Amino acid sequence: DAGVTQSPTHLIKTRGQHVTLRCSPISGHKSVSWYQQVLGQGPQFIFQYYEKEERGRGNFPDRFSARQFPNYSSELNVNALLLGDSALYLCASSLVAVQETQYFGPGTRLLVL
Amino acid sequence: GQSLEQPSEVTAVEGAIVQINCTYQTSGFYGLSWYQQHDGGAPTFLSYNALDGLEETGRFSSFLSRSDSYGYLLLQELQMKDSASYFCAVRGDTGGFKTIFGAGTRLFVKA
Repeated sequence: DAGVTQSPTHLIKTRGQHVTLRCSPISGHKSVSWYQQVLGQGPQFIFQYYEKEERGRGNFPDRFSARQFPNYSSELNVNALLLGDSALYLCASSLVAVQETQYFGPGTRLLVL
Repeated sequence: GQSLEQPSEVTAVEGAIVQINCTYQTSGFYGLSWYQQHDGGAPTFLSYNALDGLEETGRFSSFLSRSDSYGYLLLQELQMKDSASYFCAVRGDTGGFKTIFGAGTRLFVKA
């Protein structure tokens, strides 16, 4: 079975632009979470979606938004990009919302110039 | 709020045993998880403790004391491939489901 997949793998944007990151969970998993990881730090929680509804939100500005589709894939959108948004964006899937075992995708490395 | 503390770096020799500690502060505590991340890779799940005590999975063991808000990851028979960053994480439910990760412990295994 395929693991969690994310696209694109790398992305370069300029300040003020918009970006959409995509994630496909493991087949059968209904929960997707998004994290931002800056070099040398732990993943920072952004959102969790379960059954197409937002179930948790981290301390990120409203420029960050996400959604989950009927096939349980998910998109993370970031508007008005700032230099500080440069990071590795990780998607993790789990069977249900409160399952502790999360399976991470390889991430999307975003560079904002 | 929610926070976790773990040492920033640990160095050990091949074949040795190393313990990585984690103290946490959170509300609506469900349990403590541990993840491993190699440079350039994604975090991979190692273990989870919901109840007090020791959980063993091969060379890795994890311990939790809910009364002390403390846990540790124990790595035995260290191998060079264990050189990686290790994160403890807690899930709370304040303001919805959130998983909070510590800053990570960088483990260096020397020959």
